[in-house]
Amino acid sequence: QVQLVESGGGVVQPGRSLRLSCAASGFTFSTSGMHWVRQAPGKGLEWVAVIWHDGTTKYYTDSVKGRFAVSRDNSKNTLYLQMDSLRAEDTAVYYCARDGHCISTMCYFFDYWGQGTLVTVSS
Amino acid sequence: QSALTQPASVSGSPGQSITISCTGTSSNIGSYNLVSWYQQHPGKAPKLMIYDVTKRPSGVSDRFSGSKSGNTASLTISGLQAEDEADYYCCSYAGSGTLLFGGGTKLTVL
Repeated sequence: QVQLVESGGGVVQPGRSLRLSCAASGFTFSTSGMHWVRQAPGKGLEWVAVIWHDGTTKYYTDSVKGRFAVSRDNSKNTLYLQMDSLRAEDTAVYYCARDGHCISTMCYFFDYWGQGTLVTVSS
Repeated sequence: QSALTQPASVSGSPGQSITISCTGTSSNIGSYNLVSWYQQHPGKAPKLMIYDVTKRPSGVSDRFSGSKSGNTASLTISGLQAEDEADYYCCSYAGSGTLLFGGGTKLTVL
């Protein structure tokens, strides 16, 4: 069964950095695109970033460009989100999600989600 | 890009049908048949209900259906049940590798 488990969330001061991880199991990680989606407290879902199956292509929402970096280690079945220059408005639950299982290409929907990890940016 | 537009709330009685709209532009919904819908219960991760506008993943009830006309996509739930009460989000491919969510709709089953 597909499992996605996020970790690395916590409380961080504005301007500081944090790295989130997402451990994947139950499927061939190296053939799946992966996304990060966030949800601010009491708010809706916001797509953050995507990385293609082989790590060669990455895209970001405008509000995190230049501050966040998505990466993956296919040998460890793990997805990462490096978050720098954090702002109060980055406070949210961060979910990793698998791109619909279009082998080695992109489907542009999310068929499996992790349980999320909370990031709180506050002084 | 601005979020896709969904009604903040909809309601219906058990057994009835409801439709949730999701309005975008010619740059997203209008250009791609890549609209998906997610159900989210409080404190839980979202769950995929519809993808590619009309397709239903295995295990999702056939009471859920999707459609699209122009720049607007819709999710219809027929035979409303108490467990359908949740937040629903639409999502569309928006070009250049990016995705865009709607603001979400709270469904209340009366």
